[in-house]
Order: sequence, then C-alpha cells, then structure tokens
Amino acid sequence: AQKVTQAQTEISVVEKEDVTLDCVYETRDTTYYLFWYKQPPSGELVFLIRRNSFDEQNEISGRYSWNFQKSTSSFNFTITASQVVDSAVYFCALSDPNSNSGYALNFGKGTSLLVTP
Amino acid sequence: DAGVIQSPRHEVTEMGQEVTLRCKPISGHDYLFWYRQTMMRGLELLIYFNNNVPIDDSGMPEDRFSAKMPNASFSTLKIQPSEPRDSAVYFCASSSEAVETQYFGPGTRLLVL
Repeated sequence: AQKVTQAQTEISVVEKEDVTLDCVYETRDTTYYLFWYKQPPSGELVFLIRRNSFDEQNEISGRYSWNFQKSTSSFNFTITASQVVDSAVYFCALSDPNSNSGYALNFGKGTSLLVTP
Repeated sequence: DAGVIQSPRHEVTEMGQEVTLRCKPISGHDYLFWYRQTMMRGLELLIYFNNNVPIDDSGMPEDRFSAKMPNASFSTLKIQPSEPRDSAVYFCASSSEAVETQYFGPGTRLLVL
C-alpha cells in the first residue's frame, strides 16, 4: 500500500517568514515519482515540481526549494521569504507505477498555508 | 499553448438529472485522468485512459458513473442519475507519458441539489 502524509493541516505565517511544508510517503517500490501541486483560492491545481526516486538532489527554484530524503521517506517543500500570493493549499503526491494504482497520483490531504501581511 | 480545457466550469443540477462533464486534454498527450475532490475524501482518481482506452476505472464510485474517450482530444464523464453526494470538484488531467507530469484543467464544480 502506498500513502502520502501531510501532517500539517494549516500553517499561518507573516509575510517574509520562511515556511516548510512536510510530506512523508510510503511505498515498497524502488521506482516512484513525487510531486508538489499548489491550489490557490481560485481552485485550479498548479504543478510545482516532479522528482523521481533515483534523483535525491535538492532543487531550488526562486523562493521555492525542495528537500528529498529517501532515508526518511520525506519530500519537504520550503518557501523562503513568503508572500501573500503564496497563500494556497499545497498538495504532495506520489505516483507508483508498480503498485495497484498504477500511474494515478496519490495525493496527501494538503496543507493550507496562509500568509498575512 | 492551451492547457487542459474543461466544461462547464460550474454545474448546478437537481437530484436524478443526468450530468455530463467534458474535457479536452493537451494536444499530444496520450494519458487522460479524471479526479474528484471532496472535503471528506480529498483528491482521488476516478479513471484514466491511455490512447483513448480506459486502463483503470477502479475509482469510479458506482454504475451511475461512466466515462468515455471517443478520440484523442475529447473525454466525457457522465453521472446518471446524479445524487447530492456527487457534489464535488471534478478535475481532468493529461500527461505525455504515464510517468510524466499530469497537468490539470480548471475543474468543474458540481452541485447536486
């Protein structure tokens, strides 16, 4: 069975603070893919990053960075110097081609981030 | 480039009515996915297609739900008859390969009264 856990349901920060969103996943397979999506108040799902299980290199994109650690089965997401426009629900997802769910994205419950001025 | 297109964006209907949701994937994408988002269950896969063929429909709730993909540029998700518990946001997504990134449409917000 595979599972994605986002333990933080809601986070509230003040603008310019750094914030880390946690994601822990479970899978028995060695080949899998991890994703982060953003869902702003308007409701669409916006792709942020995709990472395969063989690439543990951390990634930085502007104010966003991701820390993938297979040893702890975590794929955490950090926003540096948060802005009001970062307010959204953020979803971590796992795709495990060798599992029963195939290529479907298994989503966590999401973390709602509120950035106040 | 146009992203995934869904219609309608909002749908309000009465219990027992037939509802049809539509999706146009990104051109060239061979995989199309239908997801449903509810407060209780979060985001869950309903069905996905590869080259217009349904591959996994294990997430379809019951026989009231059906999905088709008559060609590479169009898919429908039909609910007949609709029930209040079907109220949710329905997303369509597409990807170029099975393990590549899935890009989502804007969703259809369905309310069944």
